[in-house]
Amino acid sequence: GAGVSQSPRYKVAKRGQDVALRCDPISGHVSLFWYQQALGQGPEFLTYFQNEAQLDKSGLPSDRFFAERPEGSVSTLKIQRTQQEDSAVYLCASSLAGRNTIYFGEGSWLTVV
Amino acid sequence: EDQVTQSPEALRLQEGESSSLNCSYTVSGLRGLFWYRQDPGKGPEFLFTLYSAGEEKEKERLKATLTKKESFLHITAPKPEDSATYLCAVRGTGANNLFFGTGTRLTVIP
Repeated sequence: GAGVSQSPRYKVAKRGQDVALRCDPISGHVSLFWYQQALGQGPEFLTYFQNEAQLDKSGLPSDRFFAERPEGSVSTLKIQRTQQEDSAVYLCASSLAGRNTIYFGEGSWLTVV
Repeated sequence: EDQVTQSPEALRLQEGESSSLNCSYTVSGLRGLFWYRQDPGKGPEFLFTLYSAGEEKEKERLKATLTKKESFLHITAPKPEDSATYLCAVRGTGANNLFFGTGTRLTVIP
């Protein structure tokens, strides 16, 4: 597609509920990133894929967070047993391999109540 | 450890009043310094990448410059539509991801 597409754009979850956030990167982009952005803060790195391989998951805050990209295109970020502190915007980004520019989607706004 | 500090946190300008935003950084082997613009409720929009000290890039009313310790985003004769949060990020040696600062929230008053 023309840009990085994320869904849902807005999600309200009850505490303890599982959520799944989807990212469809720019066609042909090998690299895919997930970031978390709290209100008034810059994006913070969560995890990185090159094709289907998850090469870096050092930013995932707990084992409740899980990401996958099984066919090297669409990716899903799953959060189990959501907590209030998980409320944030989850940004997906993609790029061609190497030192190319990273392009962001519009984000999925998660509110845990 | 990578560090990015942006200043000021917020800036209010009159339309036409030029100014600069600062991004100070510490990174192990700079492989790129990036400027993004973020509007409320939107994802970051790419503006510039700078790779080496002395490099400059321009786009409309914006000009980004880079030294070994900091980058400046100069805004010449800003318009209200330039109001946004401007984010600075770095990529270091061995890293694929970007490390972001907290941004400067710019408001341009008509």
